[in-house]
Amino acid sequence: AQSVTQLDSQVPVFEEAPVELRCNYSSSVSVYLFWYVQYPNQGLQLLLKYLSGSTLVKGINGFEAEFNKSQTSFHLRKPSVHISDTAEYFCAVSRMDSSYKLIFGSGTRLLVRP
Amino acid sequence: NAGVTQTPKFQVLKTGQSMTLQCAQDMNHNSMYWYRQDPGMGLRLIYYSASEGTTDKGEVPNGYNVSRLNKREFSLRLESAAPSQTSVYFCASSEIRGPADTQYFGPGTRLTVL
Repeated sequence: AQSVTQLDSQVPVFEEAPVELRCNYSSSVSVYLFWYVQYPNQGLQLLLKYLSGSTLVKGINGFEAEFNKSQTSFHLRKPSVHISDTAEYFCAVSRMDSSYKLIFGSGTRLLVRP
Repeated sequence: NAGVTQTPKFQVLKTGQSMTLQCAQDMNHNSMYWYRQDPGMGLRLIYYSASEGTTDKGEVPNGYNVSRLNKREFSLRLESAAPSQTSVYFCASSEIRGPADTQYFGPGTRLTVL
């Protein structure tokens, strides 16, 4: 079975500061990795995903994530955050075999302060 | 394109009442999903439909039924609502049922069962 751990339930940060949101996963088979963002009162939208190739993945809005297979991590980073980045961020995994299913972490609320 | 739409946005039910949550997508996607989101638990899959005419149980199907009315529409029914079903419900769709595919989410329905 797969599981996803987002250790930080909330991350407060000042505007223009860098931020890292942590994600660790557990799986007995190879997985694909995703980060979704949920802005207030909206549905989720894809930020980025890792399927194969380069371990550094760039997404929308200046976010990037690095896949580390040995540490089973997929941390999300942004060098300089804006107020508009305030949202909840979900890490998710899916098995590379025939299963369709996305397994989500519990989410990290990013709170950007002026 | 409206993407994925859900109705209603909010609903309050009394224990034992029934209701149907509606979902439609205009992206010609084959697969559709219903999730529930509870605080601190991320999203959990209730039911999915890999293609028109098929439905399957997800992680937490008890107390729910679904109908894939056509390629565009996928409804979720609560036959006898219980307070444990108080949650935010999200519908999603993807082009195919595959582990690498991006899922597109609706804005959600906030349901309270008294």
